[in-house]
Amino acid sequence: EPEVTQTPSHQVTQMGQEVILRCVPISNHLYFYWYRQILGQKVEFLVSFYNNEISEKSEIFDDQFSVERPDGSNFTLKIRSTKLEDSAMYFCASSEGQHYGYTFGSGTRLTVV
Amino acid sequence: AQSVSQHNHHVILSEAASLELGCNYSYGGTVNLFWYVQYPGQHLQLLLKYFSGDPLVKGIKGFEAEFIKSKFSFNLRKPSVQWSDTAEYFCAVNRPTSGTYKYIFGTGTRLKVLA
Repeated sequence: EPEVTQTPSHQVTQMGQEVILRCVPISNHLYFYWYRQILGQKVEFLVSFYNNEISEKSEIFDDQFSVERPDGSNFTLKIRSTKLEDSAMYFCASSEGQHYGYTFGSGTRLTVV
Repeated sequence: AQSVSQHNHHVILSEAASLELGCNYSYGGTVNLFWYVQYPGQHLQLLLKYFSGDPLVKGIKGFEAEFIKSKFSFNLRKPSVQWSDTAEYFCAVNRPTSGTYKYIFGTGTRLKVLA
């Protein structure tokens, strides 16, 4: 069964540092998403991406965040200057279309110290 | 505020017991509804989804859910749980006619099945 792959599985970074979380969506999927889950809290939408541009973003997705699909296969989330409160599990997801369920990746646990 | 509510935060059952997990949403209009499961240390997996048609939806691993529009509910059921069903279960909603395809997740229900 096709999978969404995320790397790394766990990243520890110092406050103020830049991090890039990587995702390889399923190859024929067209819609890409990032969600995050702070420990013990609900899964929250960050951003959706379609046709090489952001289609929607939440209030969490401020100027410190950016997404990119640099080479047609990877989908990255960059946090420019990490804060302690960015510590969370970050999930990438992709879908074939707007009326399909997502396939989620296994997540990257980001710990900001 | 508009939201997705899962009122059971922790559920403990013995094997072979029946399961029903509640999910209520507060959005009007057309909604798509999903249940995801997250086994310990693993990613979110789609259990089942409802877009339209028969409000009783069957998913993987013997799970089913019923969409009751008048109650704004999409409860998850399984007639007989197994130890391997121990996991966290998330209800999610999206609202395609509002021009958004993001999911709004509930807070999750942590299910523990005792062998």
